[in-house]
Amino acid sequence: AQSVSQHNHHVILSEAASLELGCNYSYGGTVNLFWYVQYPGQHLQLLLKYFSGDPLVKGIKGFEAEFIKSKFSFNLRKPSVQWSDTAEYFCAVNAGGTSYGKLTFGQGTILTVHP
Amino acid sequence: DTGVSQNPRHKITKRGQNVTFRCDPISEHNRLYWYRQTLGQGPEFLTYFQNEAQLEKSRLLSDRFSAERPKGSFSTLEIQRTEQGDSAMYLCASSLLGDVQHFGDGTRLSIL
Repeated sequence: AQSVSQHNHHVILSEAASLELGCNYSYGGTVNLFWYVQYPGQHLQLLLKYFSGDPLVKGIKGFEAEFIKSKFSFNLRKPSVQWSDTAEYFCAVNAGGTSYGKLTFGQGTILTVHP
Repeated sequence: DTGVSQNPRHKITKRGQNVTFRCDPISEHNRLYWYRQTLGQGPEFLTYFQNEAQLEKSRLLSDRFSAERPKGSFSTLEIQRTEQGDSAMYLCASSLLGDVQHFGDGTRLSIL
């Protein structure tokens, strides 16, 4: 069975600080990897995704993530956070291929950015 | 707004009552998913449909839970004889085959 682990439950940063949120997954086969973000009062939105190819993936709002297959990791990074990045971030995985189904989510990381 | 629509947004009910939630996916999306999210946790998969066919159900989905997507468009999730442990946010998502899932705002269920 697939599982996803996010290293930090709550991260607090000041504006302009760099961000890295850890994500490790457990699955032996090919995977598709995702980061979703949930801003206060809003629904889950896709931040970025990895299906195949270049392991460094760029998403919206200056976020990027690196897939390291040997470490089963897909960490999220941003060089300089803004107050508007305050949100909850979820890493998710599903079995790879062209017809994937369910997502398995991590427990989420709450990011608080102080102005 | 042409996103995924869920109704109601919040449902309060007494233990033992039946409840039904509705999800309207993005039009032309052939896949529809249900997830459940409790406080401090990520969403947990419940079930999904491809058109009207229910392709997978989680072990979390006890026999008190039933989901339908009769015409391959909207879907309903019914919980019979609700229990305290059913209190959660119920999320619906839709997608095209092989594409990312788009989520609705969810229905928050509170059991008194």
